[in-house]
Amino acid sequence: DGGITQSPKYLFRKEGQNVTLSCEQNLNHDAMYWYRQDPGQGLRLIYYSQIVNDFQKGDIAEGYSVSREKKESFPLTVTSAQKNPTAFYLCASGRSGSSNQPQHFGDGTRLSIL
Amino acid sequence: AQTVTQSQPEMSVQEAETVTLSCTYDTSESDYYLFWYKQPPSRQMILVIRQEAYKQQNATENRFSVNFQKAAKSFSLKISDSQLGDAAMYFCAYRDDKIIFGKGTRLHILP
Repeated sequence: DGGITQSPKYLFRKEGQNVTLSCEQNLNHDAMYWYRQDPGQGLRLIYYSQIVNDFQKGDIAEGYSVSREKKESFPLTVTSAQKNPTAFYLCASGRSGSSNQPQHFGDGTRLSIL
Repeated sequence: AQTVTQSQPEMSVQEAETVTLSCTYDTSESDYYLFWYKQPPSRQMILVIRQEAYKQQNATENRFSVNFQKAAKSFSLKISDSQLGDAAMYFCAYRDDKIIFGKGTRLHILP
C-alpha cells in the first residue's frame, strides 16, 4: 500500500545538537510538507516543497532546514538554532498546486530535549 | 495572508445527538478548497470531508456534512448521530497552493 513513512517515531535531542527527521512517500506526489504541532496551536507549516530541488519557507521556518533531492524524500533538520524544538512533527504529501485532493499524512515524530 | 479560525477549543455532545463545529477563514482568492480533518488520540490525521469553493452544494459523507457559506467565509461541520469513536481533535483547513490549518476543536462524546 502507498503511504508516508516518518522515522523515528520518538527522537531525543541534546542541547546544541542538530537532528534530522526522515519522511519518505511512495504515492508519487510532487508536493511535500512539514508541520509542527504544539498543544493548543494546531498545525503550523514549517517548510514545503512543490517539486524536486525546490522548497519554500512556511510560517515558522526559523531554526529548521530541509532538502528535496528526490521526489520521494523530504528530510527535516532541526538545528541548534531552534530553541524550543520539543513538539510533534508531521510530514504530509499531496499534488502540487491548487487541488481538491487532500494531503496524506505520516504518523509523526515526537521530538524531545534531553 | 490566508487564515483559518476555529473559535471553539472544546465541545461536548451526548452520544447519538448532533453537533456543529464552527470554522471561518479569510482569503482574497475565489478558487480554493476546504477540508475537515480528524485527529484521534493516535495522532493520525484522517480526512473527514472536502468542499470545492466553486460548488454551491454542501458536501456530505455519511453522518458528516458541511454548511459552506462562501460570502460569509464560513465552513462548519455537522456530525449527526454522534458516536464514541467520533471523539477527537477536528481541524478545519484551507487550501490553494498550500494548506493552512485552524487550531482545532477537541470534541468529547458523552455516553
